[in-house]
Amino acid sequence: DAGVIQSPRHEVTEMGQEVTLRCKPISGHNSLFWYRQTMMRGLELLIYFNNNVPIDDSGMPEDRFSAKMPNASFSTLKIQPSEPRDSAVYFCASSIGRLNEKLFFGSGTQLSVL
Amino acid sequence: DQQVKQNSPSLSVQEGRISILNCDYTNSMFDYFLWYKKYPAEGPTFLISISSIKDKNEDGRFTVFLNKSAKHLSLHIVPSQPGDSAVYFCAASRHGNEKLTFGTGTRLTIIP
Repeated sequence: DAGVIQSPRHEVTEMGQEVTLRCKPISGHNSLFWYRQTMMRGLELLIYFNNNVPIDDSGMPEDRFSAKMPNASFSTLKIQPSEPRDSAVYFCASSIGRLNEKLFFGSGTQLSVL
Repeated sequence: DQQVKQNSPSLSVQEGRISILNCDYTNSMFDYFLWYKKYPAEGPTFLISISSIKDKNEDGRFTVFLNKSAKHLSLHIVPSQPGDSAVYFCAASRHGNEKLTFGTGTRLTIIP
């Protein structure tokens, strides 16, 4: 299996621009998670989906952030407009969705907002 | 509010010695705990887990200890090897909820 695939690996953009991060979970996994890694806060959960339905979006920092999962094999995280403080590594992870099932992470997207 | 805390941002250990990484949590509802390992430019990968019904779980060179009364867990690596150099994240979840809450991570460096 190819694992969780994220694109792009790196994104550099200017403040105010729209940013879209993409994720393809492992086939057969029905839970998908978006995390953000920063030095100060470690790995923060932004939102997670189960069977393509958003279950918990309490970690989404502001209305500028939105996430969608139109089907079982694709999800996007969008930031509009982006700000310098959004600079971080964004990880997507998936799991089979059973209780205590471990997460499989993608390699992340390094986002830099100038 | 950081519910899972890793107070040591970094740790250096001689090769062959024991590495001990610590983690504290504040939410008494947490009952399942995991450790993830992360290499540069890669996503975290699962290392070992423990349920609150146990106080120890062992997998090869890796052992996790859980002290529920102190809300503390630790990861022991014996013996430490150069390939163990990575960032280690502690994570916790509540019964019935698959959402994981992570700590800030500890960077472990194994000195040859």
